[in-house]
Amino acid sequence: RKEVEQDPGPFNVPEGATVAFNCTYSNSASQSFFWYRQDCRKEPKLLMSVYSSGNEDGRFTAQLNRASQYISLLIRDSKLSDSATYLCVVGGLGGATNKLIFGTGTLLAVQP
Amino acid sequence: DAGVIQSPRHEVTEMGQEVTLRCKPISGHNSLFWYRQTMMRGLELLIYFNNNVPIDDSGMPEDRFSAKMPNASFSTLKIQPSEPRDSAVYFCASSFSGDWNTGELFFGEGSRLTVL
Repeated sequence: RKEVEQDPGPFNVPEGATVAFNCTYSNSASQSFFWYRQDCRKEPKLLMSVYSSGNEDGRFTAQLNRASQYISLLIRDSKLSDSATYLCVVGGLGGATNKLIFGTGTLLAVQP
Repeated sequence: DAGVIQSPRHEVTEMGQEVTLRCKPISGHNSLFWYRQTMMRGLELLIYFNNNVPIDDSGMPEDRFSAKMPNASFSTLKIQPSEPRDSAVYFCASSFSGDWNTGELFFGEGSRLTVL
């Protein structure tokens, strides 16, 4: 079983739609959780951290369910510029605080 | 401000040749990571260094791969001999370990390797 699993998509949605991505992780000892964004043929960049209490950044909301080992990202009022691959990231496995494990990503295509 | 700098950006080589990828981390960062990205396997952590010391190389595929960090401003990833299955984008990333839990790794633009 992969350490971090995501639905690869693609998710094709119209502008203005709300879209949600899910991610599961296998190691209950994981300590930190993030969403990264990667544009086509570019490097990954941090989108937001994910906290147990849930957190919001503009149109983006991230949630963590430790009991179910499940992470989600919700994008409201999607824009063309949101088209990218969204990577679920888990850290702190095995006490290695610097070690980040990436999911394979979910591709989002926002259509005009 | 200069970000993480990787070279070469693209390399095409023949099977059996030696490949050396280079990385200059962001000044002041003391953690450096080498990742490999393919369509099938996504981003895989190969090795990471803290304060120039290799901490975890469990992701290095096999003995053909080696990585060094002789000083705080330079690291290399070497593949010898290269094989077609090594074709991938190799990313170097850096961070400051004191702020690791911000989750922000700063990635270079990657080195796209094709082994024929």
